[in-house]
Amino acid sequence: VQLVESGGTFVQPGGSLRLSCAASGFIFSNYWMHWVRQAPGKGPVWVSRINSDGTRIDYADFGKGRFTTSRDNAKNTLHLEMKSLRAEDTGIYYCARDRGGVLGSTLFFWGQGTPVTVSS
Amino acid sequence: DIVMTQSPDSLSVSLGETATINCKSSQNVLSNSNNKDYLAWYQQKPRQPPKLLIHWASARELGVPDRFSGSGSGTDFTLTISSLQAEDVAVYYCQQYYSTPRTFGQGTKVEVK
Repeated sequence: VQLVESGGTFVQPGGSLRLSCAASGFIFSNYWMHWVRQAPGKGPVWVSRINSDGTRIDYADFGKGRFTTSRDNAKNTLHLEMKSLRAEDTGIYYCARDRGGVLGSTLFFWGQGTPVTVSS
Repeated sequence: DIVMTQSPDSLSVSLGETATINCKSSQNVLSNSNNKDYLAWYQQKPRQPPKLLIHWASARELGVPDRFSGSGSGTDFTLTISSLQAEDVAVYYCQQYYSTPRTFGQGTKVEVK
């Protein structure tokens, strides 16, 4: 299993960003996928999840209306589009593969993450 | 949202001794439909992503040493590291996957005394 995130960078408050996660080593279209973030020195915070065919997506309250999760099963890629970014959105953003199951499970494998810094 | 609370925030244990980390959920995470606790434990070493150690409260992931064990049910859970090794120095997190949003404990930092 390999997950490689990209797209993280420095952005000003109010800005937008699109993160991507390239998956390999497993049948991507069979699994729920998640985004989790971790602020410097803090614990992980779950951001979003998407089911295997992209028909169900859940968000943490802080992401509703600002974040959009999507997937391209033909390209084995997961995306997170973020807008109206705030300083508190700063952190490392990880994509993670679900452990499995129709209803989703826990976070079986995590990528190395991509850093997002929101600052003026 | 289900709030996960770990104790202690940190602990210092001698090599070869036992480390015990507690995790309490604000709501029951035991499913009536399959009698499973939707509770996982992760290990995070510096500059690395978290690694899944245990799911269903007590099921060790493949390749995880058997000195790591999980127990508990309902709202109270424990991760036990028996015979602590130097490579076990890390921050440990519990996480519930009973409902969304998935929520994590604040973490317990394990150090060698």
